[in-house]
Amino acid sequence: GAVVSQHPSWVICKSGTSVKIECRSLDFQATTMFWYRQFPKQSLMLMATSNEGSKATYEQGVEKDKFLINHASLTLSTLTVTSAHPEDSSFYICSARDGNELRSYEQYFGPGTRLTVT
Amino acid sequence: KNEVEQSPQNLTAQEGEFITINCSYSVGISALHWLQQHPGGGIVSLFMLSSGKKKHGRLIATINIQEKHSSLHITASHPRDSAVYICAVRLIGGTYKYIFGTGTRLKVLA
Repeated sequence: GAVVSQHPSWVICKSGTSVKIECRSLDFQATTMFWYRQFPKQSLMLMATSNEGSKATYEQGVEKDKFLINHASLTLSTLTVTSAHPEDSSFYICSARDGNELRSYEQYFGPGTRLTVT
Repeated sequence: KNEVEQSPQNLTAQEGEFITINCSYSVGISALHWLQQHPGGGIVSLFMLSSGKKKHGRLIATINIQEKHSSLHITASHPRDSAVYICAVRLIGGTYKYIFGTGTRLKVLA
């Protein structure tokens, strides 16, 4: 089946620094990628939707200047957490939608990235 | 009331038991996913359903679109099945957005 990878799988950074998380579709072209965040013992919450070559659409309450999303190619989207603070510590997950109609535009989830800000 | 509800929230079983996790939703959907999240956090997609039933190894997933309900069954459960199981529904329409249940935390004892 199709695979979505995320890198890194976990990262620890100091408060005030920026962290970039990559999401890659390994064997299909993803016209749309989604970024989710999960706080402990809570559901995954959609942060933003990114379409290749255009600006991301952010959900209400998500700061677009803090969570920079770039979807520069059909196989790669990046999420950069700028000036990270301890409250940004969370589990970040991406999903990618297959752009091929013959594969029913199926959506696949990445394994997630655990961010800890100290 | 959440749009996606899972039951039970927590489940402890003995190795070998048959396990059922339920998911009910109140919105129109085009697909439903069952995901498995291990203690380290990594997510694995188990099934994508839009109708009927799917089986993979010891896992079986069913969906009843009319009743807006899905079940995930694990036969001959094993301690390595211990994880959080999450139901996620893809909303109908062109947005491809998902709503997630809060998960069912399963612990299988040896």
